[in-house]
Amino acid sequence: DGGITQSPKYLFRKEGQNVTLSCEQNLNHDAMYWYRQDPGQGLRLIYYSQIVNDFQKGDIAEGYSVSREKKESFPLTVTSAQKNPTAFYLCASSISRIGTEAFFGQGTRLTVV
Amino acid sequence: KQEVTQIPAALSVPEGENLVLNCSFTDSAIYNLQWFRQDPGKGLTSLLLIQSSQREQTSGRLNASLDKSSGRSTLYIAASQPGDSATYLCAVSTGGTSYGKLTFGQGTILTVHP
Repeated sequence: DGGITQSPKYLFRKEGQNVTLSCEQNLNHDAMYWYRQDPGQGLRLIYYSQIVNDFQKGDIAEGYSVSREKKESFPLTVTSAQKNPTAFYLCASSISRIGTEAFFGQGTRLTVV
Repeated sequence: KQEVTQIPAALSVPEGENLVLNCSFTDSAIYNLQWFRQDPGKGLTSLLLIQSSQREQTSGRLNASLDKSSGRSTLYIAASQPGDSATYLCAVSTGGTSYGKLTFGQGTILTVHP
């Protein structure tokens, strides 16, 4: 089945530690996105990539980094510079054209301990 | 900057009732509007996608309308069932060449009682 796989489902980070969230898709989509969801605040865009080896900052990129070395993969690193990383992280993908539909993974819940 | 608002924030109805969820957006220059469903602790499931040139889309008991000029969309759910209980999110796509970026509302939490 085609889809988007995020791993792990739950992740715990110690203070000062970097952690990487995985996102893999087999939909042959060019574009991939990372969103953060906090209670009562909806989803906010962190980073997005429309082609391999290229990505742009979203609305809340500070404290995060990404790479796009393969079309299928778009990992997100939450660095120690992110002061409030506890949240639900969602990865999405779409075809790179106007009016396209976005598809989401099942999310990773990150908690700082 | 695009802003999306959903009303009501929460809704509780008895089974069988028809209901309407509302979504409004401030910038009418959108490419499309998408309605999603989210179950607790899960990802988003796409329900309906309305292109900017369309007025409505239907899927089973769901009907979504779009009035781009007034910046409004409604999601109509017919004959609601307990299995419809979830958070419903609307999102719009805007932004020049960054056409895949979505701006989300905060969602409507729907509870359908048996």
